[in-house]
Amino acid sequence: GDSVTQMEGPVTLSEEAFLTINCTYTATGYPSLFWYVQYPGEGLQLLLKATKADDKGSNKGFEATYRKETTSFHLEKGSVQVSDSAVYFCALITSGTYKYIFGTGTRLKVLA
Amino acid sequence: ETGVTQTPRHLVMGMTNKKSLKCEQHLGHNAMYWYKQSAKKPLELMFVYNFKEQTENNSVPSRFSPECPNSSHLFLHLHTLQPEDSALYLCASSQVYASGGTYEQYFGPGTRLTVT
Repeated sequence: GDSVTQMEGPVTLSEEAFLTINCTYTATGYPSLFWYVQYPGEGLQLLLKATKADDKGSNKGFEATYRKETTSFHLEKGSVQVSDSAVYFCALITSGTYKYIFGTGTRLKVLA
Repeated sequence: ETGVTQTPRHLVMGMTNKKSLKCEQHLGHNAMYWYKQSAKKPLELMFVYNFKEQTENNSVPSRFSPECPNSSHLFLHLHTLQPEDSALYLCASSQVYASGGTYEQYFGPGTRLTVT
């Protein structure tokens, strides 16, 4: 079945460091890919998305590129802030279904 | 109200109580979901409703009973829960297109449930 694999956390960085959170997927069809962020005590918020190969999703300084050849959708940010501390989830959905597949989440801690 | 709202935000109940969680979406979507989020476990899909019809029930115990009276409202009725049911319960919605395409989900803030 379809699946999403994320790097295990926590990831701890200093403020202004470069961030990469790896995400790879397996899917039988042509999925849309998403990154969600969850701040403490809140639900998941959509951070960015990409719906086809080579698309780049971006939002709030975060970027991720849909790489079909490597089945990856790595999340990057050039300079993290303390306020970026949260749990990040990679997810996919395959066209024709309504069941989303989520990764296990990666906790990011940014230190001042 | 905008987006997806959930009430109550926090709930403490005994194992013999009956309570209900409520979710409302203001996005005009036609699919709604219940998820369970426990500490150190992956997000668990519990139920999916598409056009008010339940299309997914991931082997959820019968002490959890969903209800979807219309495409904007979703309830989760709880009775005789166990302490291991303590978790964050998240509601979400999305738009399913006639062509079969489905895009992003939008989540509510969750209900933090504690079973004593």
